[in-house]
Amino acid sequence: DGGITQSPKYLFRKEGQNVTLSCEQNLNHDAMYWYRQDPGQGLRLIYYSQIVNDFQKGDIAEGYSVSREKKESFPLTVTSAQKNPTAFYLCASRAPPGGGYQPQHFGDGTRLSIL
Amino acid sequence: AQTVTQSQPEMSVQEAETVTLSCTYDTSESDYYLFWYKQPPSRQMILVIRQEAYKQQNATENRFSVNFQKAAKSFSLKISDSQLGDAAMYFCAYRSGSGNTPLVFGKGTRLSVIA
Repeated sequence: DGGITQSPKYLFRKEGQNVTLSCEQNLNHDAMYWYRQDPGQGLRLIYYSQIVNDFQKGDIAEGYSVSREKKESFPLTVTSAQKNPTAFYLCASRAPPGGGYQPQHFGDGTRLSIL
Repeated sequence: AQTVTQSQPEMSVQEAETVTLSCTYDTSESDYYLFWYKQPPSRQMILVIRQEAYKQQNATENRFSVNFQKAAKSFSLKISDSQLGDAAMYFCAYRSGSGNTPLVFGKGTRLSVIA
């Protein structure tokens, strides 16, 4: 079955520590996205990538970094500069444009908490 | 920048009744797509329905339908014959028609279904 796999499901971060959230897709999608979800805030865009080796900042990129070395993978690093990292993180991907209005497909999310 | 507004943080409906969730958006573009996503307690994001802006006909998917008013920039979701499994957070989302641009989400409406 094709899909998006996020790991781990739960993650804990200590003060001053960087942590990396994994997102892998086997849908052959070009575009991938990272969203952060807080209560009452909906989903806010952190970073997105439309093609390998390229990515753009979203609305709340400060304190986060990404890489896109392979089409299938789009890991998100939460750095120590992100002072309020506790949230639910969702990764998504989307098929190339054209041929209809393709929706974004989402992974099951990672819950990050501070110890 | 585009914005999406969901003015109802919480709604409730009796089982088997009909409920309408509101969504308005702000854009200067003429080519775009609109989506409703459902997020049950499992936190999985599930596509409910989608609409292309250039189509005047309102989209329907079984018990779910939309009232798309392009001039008013309104995109409401109607759920008919509500079921207990419809209880979830519902997010309205906008995407520009060009390229692999990310979705812009509203803050969501929490729907409760009363047996």
